[in-house]
Amino acid sequence: TQLLEQSPQFLSIQEGENLTVYCNSSSVFSSLQWYRQEPGEGPVLLVTVVTGGEVKKLKRLTFQFGDARKDSSLHITAAQPGDTGLYLCAAMGSGYSTLTFGKGTMLLVSP
Amino acid sequence: NAGVTQTPKFRILKIGQSMTLQCTQDMNHNYMYWYRQDPGMGLKLIYYSVGAGITDKGEVPNGYNVSRSTTEDFPLRLELAAPSQTSVYFCASRRFSGGSSTDTQYFGPGTRLTVL
Repeated sequence: TQLLEQSPQFLSIQEGENLTVYCNSSSVFSSLQWYRQEPGEGPVLLVTVVTGGEVKKLKRLTFQFGDARKDSSLHITAAQPGDTGLYLCAAMGSGYSTLTFGKGTMLLVSP
Repeated sequence: NAGVTQTPKFRILKIGQSMTLQCTQDMNHNYMYWYRQDPGMGLKLIYYSVGAGITDKGEVPNGYNVSRSTTEDFPLRLELAAPSQTSVYFCASRRFSGGSSTDTQYFGPGTRLTVL
């Protein structure tokens, strides 16, 4: 079972600040997904990264996959209160049947 | 499409009681999953199914049972509820596209269960 370490566990910032959260493992991933979960709801997929070194942008969110495909980061520019939520990274198992999730980073953006 | 629906939204059980958490998806997805989410612990896989009639254990299956008689439905059964099963339960589904690691999992809104 792949172990995914996410950091930080909790982040509280003011609107307009930038932030980066990380997802690391000792294993190589075939792909990695980032989900956002808002309070009282299920997680929703934000992005999937597949290629080492890949960078994907989703409005103010930038996702990067490490060259060795063992780590990933999510950078948010000019955070807004609507970005508040739990950010989860997840990696597909070798049989492509199940996902392993990290424990998540809880982000709170205050006005 | 309603996506993935779960019932009930909330439930309080007494120790030793039984209940079934319902999950239905209308996207004709072959794969379905049950997770539990405890504070600060992310999502842990309980059981999953790759198609009707086929189920398999995940990371934390003890105390739970599942069945998959149709493509649409994947109920989770708790036989003898224990306080350790207090959690938020999420059902998810996915169309497995054969060898791809990039498929999207779609989650339901969750069932918040308290066992007292």
